[in-house]
Amino acid sequence: NAGVTQTPKFQVLKTGQSMTLQCAQDMNHEYMSWYRQDPGMGLRLIHYSVGAGITDQGEVPNGYNVSRSTTEDFPLRLLSAAPSQTSVYFCASSYSERSRGREKLFFGSGTQLSVL
Amino acid sequence: DQQVKQNSPSLSVQEGRISILNCDYTNSMFDYFLWYKKYPAEGPTFLISISSIKDKNEDGRFTVFLNKSAKHLSLHIVPSQPGDSAVYFCAASSIIQGAQKLVFGQGTRLTINP
Repeated sequence: NAGVTQTPKFQVLKTGQSMTLQCAQDMNHEYMSWYRQDPGMGLRLIHYSVGAGITDQGEVPNGYNVSRSTTEDFPLRLLSAAPSQTSVYFCASSYSERSRGREKLFFGSGTQLSVL
Repeated sequence: DQQVKQNSPSLSVQEGRISILNCDYTNSMFDYFLWYKKYPAEGPTFLISISSIKDKNEDGRFTVFLNKSAKHLSLHIVPSQPGDSAVYFCAASSIIQGAQKLVFGQGTRLTINP
């Protein structure tokens, strides 16, 4: 049972480079989301999706793009990396948009990103 | 504005003793609360939750207490074990006009000493 799979686990970028963080889930969850974890800031929502073809912004969306062409995949794109985007990124999913705050979120193991 | 606060960045407890992790919130519309546990190099995993209609929920060694008047919740771990060493996040959620809001605290790093 794979759950939520994130790749890569580590990435180093130079300022201005672009890249895509991959996220896939095999639980047929409707809701998928991206969080970033920074020291002293907890987990902050970047973007989320309530189903294929539907995405919306979270708390800190600037500098990031998402798309959801299938139920399983929810990639996060950094358009032009900046040092402020150095962080640990987590993908998370739940059965539905409602259940994420009433039941639980399933998290991937994270991507540690450094932007130089 | 930090709507969910965990004011203790770290906590150190002796094995076998009680660990108490605290969480405060400011938005009275929050009506469901969750605790997540995170080990290094892993994603957070769900631990326990509580609805605002309750003031206590217990699951084995873990108990969450909710004090709505004080806007405060706490996670008690009894007895504490070395495997409990992790970062603990509290989270609060609300549904307002059909829109769900879920906010995480900053996390508390718990270390259980043998």
